Amino acid sequence: QVQLVQSGAEVKKPGASVKVSCKASGYTFTSYGISWVRQAPGQGLEWMGWISAYNGNTNYAQKLQGRVTMTTDTSTSTAYMELRSLRSDDTAVYYCARAGRFDYWGQGTLVTVSS
Amino acid sequence: DIQMTQSPSSLSASVGDRVTITCRASQGISNYLAWFQQKPGKAPKSLIYAASSLQSGVPSKFSGSGSGTDFTLTISSLQPEDFATYYCQQYNSYPWTFGQGTKVEIK
Repeated sequence: QVQLVQSGAEVKKPGASVKVSCKASGYTFTSYGISWVRQAPGQGLEWMGWISAYNGNTNYAQKLQGRVTMTTDTSTSTAYMELRSLRSDDTAVYYCARAGRFDYWGQGTLVTVSS
Repeated sequence: DIQMTQSPSSLSASVGDRVTITCRASQGISNYLAWFQQKPGKAPKSLIYAASSLQSGVPSKFSGSGSGTDFTLTISSLQPEDFATYYCQQYNSYPWTFGQGTKVEIK
């Protein structure tokens, strides 16, 4: 069965970086892109960007340009999202989702940014 | 960027009610629209893709319609497990954008 399993919760200080992983199983990884979405406490869903697992092409939300990098490792069917220069308003649950039909989501990774 | 506006932002309904949520795009998005259900502390669950296609395993009480700029999600007979927040998302053009959400509460 299709699964997206994300890495565990992180606590980071302002200015640090975080890298969240999303390991896919149960399907051909390179056949679908991966979308990253975050949700700040009590807020709605915010699209962060997309990466093609086929060729690594990316598209990022303008507000995160320069701070976010999405990558994939096809040998392990894993997608990564790295966010740099963390601020307190980056505190959120971060999700990966299989793009296309958006039918499968990871369980979410809580990233807390606090001094 | 394409703005997605959902209405209402919240609603109270009773078990058995028919519920309709509207999503309006600031410009045409063809049928590149998805609907999600989210319960507290859980990841979003995909209900509908391509505006009206039901995801596998989603009960047929959920239906989606629309094209261009105006879309609806309908729950034909609200059940206790349907009380949640619902989001629309356009994926016609980057950046993909979500509506602000509609919280469906028990009356």
